[in-house]
Amino acid sequence: DGGITQSPKYLFRKEGQNVTLSCEQNLNHDAMYWYRQDPGQGLRLIYYSQIVNDFQKGDIAEGYSVSREKKESFPLTVTSAQKNPTAFYLCASSYNNEQFFGPGTRLTVL
Amino acid sequence: GQNIDQPTEMTATEGAIVQINCTYQTSGFNGLFWYQQHAGEAPTFLSYNVLDGLEEKGRFSSFLSRSKGYSYLLLKELQMKDSASYLCAVRGGNAGNMLTFGGGTRLMVKP
Repeated sequence: DGGITQSPKYLFRKEGQNVTLSCEQNLNHDAMYWYRQDPGQGLRLIYYSQIVNDFQKGDIAEGYSVSREKKESFPLTVTSAQKNPTAFYLCASSYNNEQFFGPGTRLTVL
Repeated sequence: GQNIDQPTEMTATEGAIVQINCTYQTSGFNGLFWYQQHAGEAPTFLSYNVLDGLEEKGRFSSFLSRSKGYSYLLLKELQMKDSASYLCAVRGGNAGNMLTFGGGTRLMVKP
């Protein structure tokens, strides 16, 4: 089946550790996105990539890094520089007028 | 800059009709989207408007007025499963098809 997968669904880390969230899509979409969602709030754009080997900062990129070495994959690293990393992270890809979302990863930093 | 406003919460009764409003001020406009998001899940696409007017899709309709920077999502014959957050998102005139999301409206449907 075509779609976007994110793993794991729940992730726990200690403060000060870097952590990488995976996002894979087999929809053959060029553009991919990472969003952060805090409780009761909308989505805020962290990074996006329009094509392989290229990516751009979104509105809240500080403390995060990404790579786009393959079309199918767009992993997000939450670094220790991110002051409030506990949140729900959503990956998306887009084609024409629609963005398709993965199931999300809920990251909790203890 | 981008600014998108929608009510934080709404309550409605099963079987009724509810209208969720969204106003926006954005630098450029290239379409408005509505998404439904159940708690702890990913948003799912509901509708897309780029021209003025009403788009109807089953029990859900979405309206757009570009001159007023205004949209609404209309839900008819409400069901309990419609209890969710509804996100309004605008695609500006920027590169990358980027969307700017409002804070979402949490709709509670009561029996």
